[in-house]
Amino acid sequence: DSGVTQTPKHLITATGQRVTLRCSPRSGDLSVYWYQQSLDQGLQFLIQYYNGEERAKGNILERFSAQQFPDLHSELNLSSLELGDSALYFCASSVEGTSNEQFFGPGTRLTVL
Amino acid sequence: DAKTTQPPSMDCAEGRAANLPCNHSTISGNEYVYWYRQIHSQGPQYIIHGLKNNETNEMASLIITEDRKSSTLILPHATLRDTAVYYCIVRSRTTSGTYKYIFGTGTRLKVLA
Repeated sequence: DSGVTQTPKHLITATGQRVTLRCSPRSGDLSVYWYQQSLDQGLQFLIQYYNGEERAKGNILERFSAQQFPDLHSELNLSSLELGDSALYFCASSVEGTSNEQFFGPGTRLTVL
Repeated sequence: DAKTTQPPSMDCAEGRAANLPCNHSTISGNEYVYWYRQIHSQGPQYIIHGLKNNETNEMASLIITEDRKSSTLILPHATLRDTAVYYCIVRSRTTSGTYKYIFGTGTRLKVLA
C-alpha cells in the first residue's frame, strides 16, 4: 500500500460525457502527478500540481483539466469523452527534493463506450 | 527531455540474476536514473535510483556506466513475483523547477519456473 488513494476504482461511461477522478496523496506529500496508461502503452505524464499550483504539463488534452485543493487532494476532470480516452489513470504523489520518489495509487480504470 | 531505450522483453530463470539494461545516452549531468516496475495493471512501484555511483538496496542493484549513458538494473535472485514490466526513467527538471518522469515502454520481464 503506497498511501495514495484513488476513487473510483472503475468507471464506465458513454462518449460525450464528463467524469471526475479523485486522488488523495500520501500524508505530507505536496506534489501530485497524473498519468494516463492506454492499453499496452507506457505511462504518459499528464500534469503535476504542487501545493495547489500547476507546476508542469505533459501530454494533457484540452478536454482534460485538473486541480489540487487546499487539503492537497486532486481531481482530474475529463470532458467530451471519446472512445480513445479509455485507459488507466494513475495518480502519484511525492515530496519535492533531490530524490523525489513518486508513490503511485492503484489507478482508476475508465471505460468509454 | 532525456529518453531511454530498453529491450521490449526478457526471460530469466527463477533463482538466477536478472540483468535489465537501459540506454540513456542523452542524459544530462544532473539528471537521475530511476527504476520502477509495474505488476499487471497495478500502480508502478519504485525500485531504486542513482546519479553517478552504483546503488544497492533490499530489492535490487543499479549499475551506472562511468559516462552515464547506460545503466543496468540487477535483481540478484529473481522470483516468480518479479515478473513485471520494468521502466527505466530519467528524471527531468521542468521549467518551473520541479521534476517529472518520462516513462518509456519498459522491459517485460518474465521469470520462468
